[in-house]
Amino acid sequence: AQKITQTQPGMFVQEKEAVTLDCTYDTSDPSYGLFWYKQPSSGEMIFLIYQGSYDQQNATEGRYSLNFQKARKSANLVISASQLGDSAMYFCAMRGINTGGFKTIFGAGTRLFVKA
Amino acid sequence: NAGVTQTPKFQVLKTGQSMTLQCAQDMNHNSMYWYRQDPGMGLRLIYYSASEGTTDKGEVPNGYNVSRLNKREFSLRLESAAPSQTSVYFCASSGPRTDNYGYTFGSGTRLTVV
Repeated sequence: AQKITQTQPGMFVQEKEAVTLDCTYDTSDPSYGLFWYKQPSSGEMIFLIYQGSYDQQNATEGRYSLNFQKARKSANLVISASQLGDSAMYFCAMRGINTGGFKTIFGAGTRLFVKA
Repeated sequence: NAGVTQTPKFQVLKTGQSMTLQCAQDMNHNSMYWYRQDPGMGLRLIYYSASEGTTDKGEVPNGYNVSRLNKREFSLRLESAAPSQTSVYFCASSGPRTDNYGYTFGSGTRLTVV
């Protein structure tokens, strides 16, 4: 069975500082993809970043980077230079390429609060 | 704008009523999905359609039916609504299985069953 765990229900960060949102996963699929999504208070889901299980380098997208530690089965999201607009709910997700088929599973989410 | 369009945005139903949530995408994606979001539980997959003409159950399919009308449209039907189906529903679509770019989501439907 596949599982995503986000252990931080809420996080606070000062504006302009970096923050790490934790995500651990479990899967028996040798090939999988890891994703992070952002959900602002307006409710839409926004794709942020993707990491493939065979990618040698950590993924980066602007101020977002994914700290991928395969042996530890962790895929933490790092947001650098936090902005007030980063206040939102963040979801870690995973899709097993072989056994997971087309299905993506999501963690329970972490709510990030950015303080001015 | 290209993307996923969901209707309606809000709906209140009485227990036992039926309704259909509509979803359409214009990105030529093969795969489409219906998720529900409940507080503290993330998103849970209800049904998905890997390609036109196919549908499969997800994690929480009970009480729902789906129809992949064509490549663009994927609808979710509640035949007899129950208060436990009060939730926010998201439709999503994706390209090839090896696509790096995750899902594109609709704006969501907030459904309340009283």
